[in-house]
Amino acid sequence: GDSVTQMEGPVTLSEEAFLTINCTYTATGYPSLFWYVQYPGEGLQLLLKATKADDKGSNKGFEATYRKETTSFHLEKGSVQVSDSAVYFCALLGSSNTGKLIFGQGTTLQVKP
Amino acid sequence: NAGVTQTPKFQVLKTGQSMTLQCAQDMNHEYMSWYRQDPGMGLRLIHYSVGAGITDQGEVPNGYNVSRSTTEDFPLRLLSAAPSQTSVYFCASSYSGGIRETQYFGPGTRLLVL
Repeated sequence: GDSVTQMEGPVTLSEEAFLTINCTYTATGYPSLFWYVQYPGEGLQLLLKATKADDKGSNKGFEATYRKETTSFHLEKGSVQVSDSAVYFCALLGSSNTGKLIFGQGTTLQVKP
Repeated sequence: NAGVTQTPKFQVLKTGQSMTLQCAQDMNHEYMSWYRQDPGMGLRLIHYSVGAGITDQGEVPNGYNVSRSTTEDFPLRLLSAAPSQTSVYFCASSYSGGIRETQYFGPGTRLLVL
């Protein structure tokens, strides 16, 4: 079945460092891919998405490119801030299951000043 | 728009008690769903609904019931709570559940079963 694998955390960075959080997926057909962010004590917010191969999603300085050849959707940001500290979830929405989001286990990011 | 709202924010139950987690959305979305979030496991789908009167099971439905009498509301019922149901519960909605649609999440309900 469909699945998502994220790099394990926590990831600890200094402010202004470069961020990469790896995400790979297994799915039949052509899924859509998402990154959600969960700030402490809050629900999930959509960060960015890509709905077809080679699409690049971007928001708030974060980017991710839908790579079908490597089945990946890695999240990147050039310069992180303390306010980016949160849990990041990679997820896919496959063509075989109506509306069912498949989530990775989440990666905790801690940014220190 | 208030978006997706959930009540209560936090609840403590004793084993065997029942309760209903409320979820409402004001975006006229047909698709609604419930997830549970457990440490190291991401979110897992409990039940979902593609419209009023239509519900179906997700990945982890045991111990939970749902109904959808209106487009706006999608309550989740725990009939006899167990410690294994200690979790954070999220409700989500989207226009139709389509593959390219964004799903919007509520703030969550944190449930502790003693």
